[in-house]
Amino acid sequence: DTGVSQNPRHKITKRGQNVTFRCDPISEHNRLYWYRQTLGQGPEFLTYFQNEAQLEKSRLLSDRFSAERPKGSFSTLEIQRTEQGDSAMYLCASSPPGDTQYFGPGTRLTVL
Amino acid sequence: AQTVTQSQPEMSVQEAETVTLSCTYDTSESDYYLFWYKQPPSRQMILVIRQEAYKQQNATENRFSVNFQKAAKSFSLKISDSQLGDAAMYFCAYRGPGGSQGNLIFGKGTKLSVKP
Repeated sequence: DTGVSQNPRHKITKRGQNVTFRCDPISEHNRLYWYRQTLGQGPEFLTYFQNEAQLEKSRLLSDRFSAERPKGSFSTLEIQRTEQGDSAMYLCASSPPGDTQYFGPGTRLTVL
Repeated sequence: AQTVTQSQPEMSVQEAETVTLSCTYDTSESDYYLFWYKQPPSRQMILVIRQEAYKQQNATENRFSVNFQKAAKSFSLKISDSQLGDAAMYFCAYRGPGGSQGNLIFGKGTKLSVKP
C-alpha cells in the first residue's frame, strides 16, 4: 500500500514535554498539509509544504509548533512544551498540485 | 474568509434507504472545489466525492451523488441504498482556486448512523 502513513499512531505525554510526529506522503505528491482535529470538530489547517518549502502557516500554529519537510519527502511536526490544549488528532495529507488531498490515519496526541 | 456549514450534527437512515446530508459554504471566488470526505470511527478520512465549481453537472460516484447549487452555495450529498458500512462522520470541505495554496476548509461534520 502506498498511501499516506503517519507515526506514531498514538502518543501520550506529560505536559511540558516535547513530541514529534512523522508523515510520509504518497511518493509522487509534492504538496503536504498538516491539520489538527479536536473532538467533534472538522480538521483545521495548520501548515502546508510545496516540496521542501513551507509556504503557509495558520495562526493556530503557535511558536511552540514547528514543521519541516527536508528534501521534500517526509515531514515532521514538533510540539515543544506541550499543553493539555494540544490534545487532538494530527492529520497529514498529501496531493499533487491543485488536486485531491489524501489523508493519513493521523496521530492521536494525549497530553496529561 | 471562506466558511463551510453543516447544519445537521447527526442523521439516521434505514439500511437500503436514501439519505441527504446538507452543506452550505461562503466564498467570493468563482473557481473552487468542493469535497465530501468520510471518516469511519477510529479510521482515516477517505474521499467520497469531488465537485469542480466550473462544472454544472453534478458529480456521481456509484451510490453517492451531489446536488451542487452554485448560486445558492449549497452542496448536498445523497447516499442511495444505504449500507451499514456507510456509518461514519461525513465532512464537507472547500478548497480555493487551483493556483491557491489549496488547504481544505472543513465543516463540523455530520454523524451518520445506519439502522439494520
